[in-house]
Amino acid sequence: DVKVTQSSRYLVKRTGEKVFLECVQDMDHENMFWYRQDPGLGLRLIYFSYDVKMKEKGDIPEGYSVSREKKERFSLILESASTNQTSMYLCASSSTGAGYGGYTFGSGTRLTVV
Amino acid sequence: GDSVTQMEGPVTLSEEAFLTINCTYTATGYPSLFWYVQYPGEGLQLLLKATKADDKGSNKGFEATYRKETTSFHLEKGSVQVSDSAVYFCAPSFSGGYNKLIFGAGTRLAVHP
Repeated sequence: DVKVTQSSRYLVKRTGEKVFLECVQDMDHENMFWYRQDPGLGLRLIYFSYDVKMKEKGDIPEGYSVSREKKERFSLILESASTNQTSMYLCASSSTGAGYGGYTFGSGTRLTVV
Repeated sequence: GDSVTQMEGPVTLSEEAFLTINCTYTATGYPSLFWYVQYPGEGLQLLLKATKADDKGSNKGFEATYRKETTSFHLEKGSVQVSDSAVYFCAPSFSGGYNKLIFGAGTRLAVHP
């Protein structure tokens, strides 16, 4: 089965810490995405990457950065965690070419910043 | 610009009731259309898809038909179960490149015995 794996299901971090959320896919997909999901706000795109070392800002990139050094891995970095970054974070991947089948999502990381 | 509107929830039904969740979209050209489902505490899972006009996607008893003339992709199920309780997201693909999806706000479905 095709998989997107997020390294942690639950994470608790302190305000001001640098936080790394890791995502790995095994489908050789070109595109990878990071979303956050909050009640009443739906899914909001933070960053996406369409190739190794390439990235584009989504709708809410402030306070976040990303890294894609290898095709299968896409990391989300909270440079200095704040309480308003407490949220569910979802990683997804997709192909670009023919036979496009939508996104495959990971199980999510619920981050709490205290 | 491209957008999607789906029925607001929550939708509360009794077991074996008929379900419809409406979804309409605006997009340049003819996008592929998707429904995703999110069970409590989980990520989103692809439920079904349709890639061209009049296509019907189906899975787990759910169906949706790509209606080009009304730009709609309504989700239906003839007889819901308690285990169908989840949040459902409609998502057309975005014409601006990389086949990005635009997600609706999600519709929470609660099915009680």
